Amino acid sequence: DTGVSQDPRHKITKRGQNVTFRCDPISEHNRLYWYRQTLGQGPEFLTYFQNEAQLEKSRLLSDRFSAERPKGSFSTLEIQRTEQGDSAMYLCASSPPDGTYEQYFGPGTRLTVT
Amino acid sequence: QKEVEQNSGPLSVPEGAIASLNCTYSDRVSQSFFWYRQYSGKSPELIMSIYSNGDKEDGRFTAQLNKASQYVSLLIRDSQPSDSATYLCAVNCPASGGSYIPTFGRGTSLIVHP
Repeated sequence: DTGVSQDPRHKITKRGQNVTFRCDPISEHNRLYWYRQTLGQGPEFLTYFQNEAQLEKSRLLSDRFSAERPKGSFSTLEIQRTEQGDSAMYLCASSPPDGTYEQYFGPGTRLTVT
Repeated sequence: QKEVEQNSGPLSVPEGAIASLNCTYSDRVSQSFFWYRQYSGKSPELIMSIYSNGDKEDGRFTAQLNKASQYVSLLIRDSQPSDSATYLCAVNCPASGGSYIPTFGRGTSLIVHP
């Protein structure tokens, strides 16, 4: 079991560009979560998949953010027309289908928008 | 707006002492409660989960849940300098789509000094 992996680990982009992040969950974990975390704050929920279905999406999330999980395996998070306020750590977590909802986090992708 | 409140600290305790971390939540219907530890520059890692009223012990850690008071706590016995980190409380709050959204507090910074 290799744990949750995220790619890239760091991304620097210019304002207005689109970026895409990838998350590979622990194998056989059916739930996958995306969060955004800024300094001094806890992780802020963005969206959640159970298998390939996107069950919840934060109402705080603008239409510039979209996520997919084709075939219920890896997931991608895309941010269109990035803004400086999007600079943050983007965390992915997965959870097993045992009803515990315990989450295992990846190392995160640090996004810097210049 | 579902809220999970934690004192940001820092909480400073001497090595060997008991550290007590507290968390309150606003939605009475919340299910599943978690404590995560986050070292500076790292992603959160699961310490404890608790689902029913009472105490749950795992090694030096004890989680306590009181649903009537909407209160969950974490006790760390025999605190070690390696326990110095930010401790995040997470609560699964009911969402409009019928599932539960993990909501994190901003975390409490713990410093264990020799």
